[in-house]
This record gives sequence, structure tokens and C-alpha cells, in this order.
Amino acid sequence: DAKTTQPPSMDCAEGRAANLPCNHSTISGNEYVYWYRQIHSQGPQYIIHGLKNNETNEMASLIITEDRKSSTLILPHATLRDTAVYYCIASSNSGYALNFGKGTSLLVTP
Amino acid sequence: DVKVTQSSRYLVKRTGEKVFLECVQDMDHENMFWYRQDPGLGLRLIYFSYDVKMKEKGDIPEGYSVSREKKERFSLILESASTNQTSMYLCATARAPLGYTFGSGTRLTVV
Repeated sequence: DAKTTQPPSMDCAEGRAANLPCNHSTISGNEYVYWYRQIHSQGPQYIIHGLKNNETNEMASLIITEDRKSSTLILPHATLRDTAVYYCIASSNSGYALNFGKGTSLLVTP
Repeated sequence: DVKVTQSSRYLVKRTGEKVFLECVQDMDHENMFWYRQDPGLGLRLIYFSYDVKMKEKGDIPEGYSVSREKKERFSLILESASTNQTSMYLCATARAPLGYTFGSGTRLTVV
């Protein structure tokens, strides 16, 4: 699986969009980008994934650059409950062993 | 919904004890995983299994073993607990393309 790089922490004001970047410059053509988040003291929860097209679901949007070397997870209207650690993972098979890394700790402030 | 159940939320054990952490899933997934999580170190993979009776070492298997006698149950065993195994332990099951579902975690303290 390709290595991903995320900032260790970010802040966002409540009600504003939270844009979480992820760099995956060595991603291969068959690797998807997956995002999970972990709220304190719980297990990580799947958010969204994509290959090359932008994706949106009820939780978030995923924007993948045309060269697929980076992506951005967007939480359009962040709430205090979105305070969590967000993990970006590149993998060709989400059912296999994944390296979650350290993720980005997002703090949403009132 | 997929449910992954870890038998204990909090556990306190003594140094040298043999410790069993149990994980049960109800969705007939082949793949199961054990991770530990420590402050500043993120999630680290201990062991995983892609089938009954099958097990593979992850990144930090030392001091641990696992058992997968039935598809739905994946147990993590600390043969002789030590204080450096005090951690949050997370079990997960997975099937592509849906990805992972994690249990709620077991916070183990070894004293």
C-alpha cells in the first residue's frame, strides 16, 4: 500500500468547512483512497472512499486530484461532534491489513 | 449492521498473568484484525487472520499470540502480561469494498 502523509493536527470553527489534506504521491493505479475517523475512546469508523472521481455521501466529500497524488476530505459544516482523529489510507483492497498511521487530529471549536 | 463485540471494555491484570481478549463478529467476514493504540503512536497491527485456523503476524506481534478456531471469533492472547502491554486493544473485521468495522475496544491495564 502507498504511504500517506497527513498533518498531525488541525483546527476548525464550528459551522465552517473542515478540509483535511492527504498526500499519497506514490499511489498506484489500483489503489483506492479510504478515510476513517476515530472519536475519542471508540474504534475507527469508515467515512468514504474513492478511486479517481470525487465522491460524496451523507458524512463527507472526497476530492481527489487529477494526478491522484493527493486528496482532501471535506466536512462541509463541521460540528463539535466532528472532533476526532481522521485517517487517510491508500489500499488496493480494503479488506486486507491496513496501516492506519497516526492520522490528523481535528479539533472543532465553538 | 456489522457488529464486532469485544468481551471487555476495561480490564486490569497483574504482571505475568495470561490474558485473553475475545472478539466476536456476526457478519461472516473472513478477515479479522487486532490492533493496539497508544498515545502518539497511532494504530499498530498486532496480528490478523484471513481464514479460520490461519494467522499472520502484523507489525508488533512480540509478546502476543492469537487463536481463530471459528470464523466469528478471533482471540488475542498475552502469554505473560507485562506493563508495556498496557494499551487500548481494538479488534476489527473487514470485507472489500466496504472496509473495516471496529469493536469498541478493550482498555487493558497491567499492574
